[in-house]
Amino acid sequence: QQPVQSPQAVILREGEDAVINCSSSKALYSVHWYRQKHGEAPVFLMILLKGGEQKGHEKISASFNEKKQQSSLYLTASQLSYSGTYFCGTEAGANNLFFGTGTRLTVIP
Amino acid sequence: KAGVTQTPRYLIKTRGQQVTLSCSPISGHRSVSWYQQTPGQGLQFLFEYFSETQRNKGNFPGRFSGRQFSNSRSEMNVSTLELGDSALYLCASSFTPGQVTNTEAFFGQGTRLTVV
Repeated sequence: QQPVQSPQAVILREGEDAVINCSSSKALYSVHWYRQKHGEAPVFLMILLKGGEQKGHEKISASFNEKKQQSSLYLTASQLSYSGTYFCGTEAGANNLFFGTGTRLTVIP
Repeated sequence: KAGVTQTPRYLIKTRGQQVTLSCSPISGHRSVSWYQQTPGQGLQFLFEYFSETQRNKGNFPGRFSGRQFSNSRSEMNVSTLELGDSALYLCASSFTPGQVTNTEAFFGQGTRLTVV
């Protein structure tokens, strides 16, 4: 039930864009995105609900394709502060989140 | 308001011992989930409690157990520790009155367990 994330790691220069993908084999009610910086707890970014709209949060936005059970996180004009590991969490109606293995994003000057 | 508090932050145990980890959720949150985090495996779901009842359980052996108290605080117990149990254990609390998790989860700082 663990979703699959891709890529596993990406290195960007400041100002570049990135896309992180998350796919599940199960029909989903929601997709959650979290970012974890080294040595810290994961921090919530956004939730996309079934039937909901694409979410945005400054230069970080996400989409949720319910038919394909896929979600993508878009980071535009990346900043150094965007570095961290991004996790998608998928929920298939049982009130528990299954997280992917994460995508390590490194933004360099 | 205070965040999710996990104690202790660090633990070193010997193989075969047992350990109990504690998680105090954000006030008003009745759902507490536990995750095991290891390099390369991401966040592996252990179990979720709501109003003192275990609602969901991940694919972990019976050595991993938990409970939730009436004040929503939760404990996780691992018996007969193995070297492979070394990991960061995270708990997350959320306000989930319904049947789906449509609100954000707040994570604690985790307990780093090392089994030697």
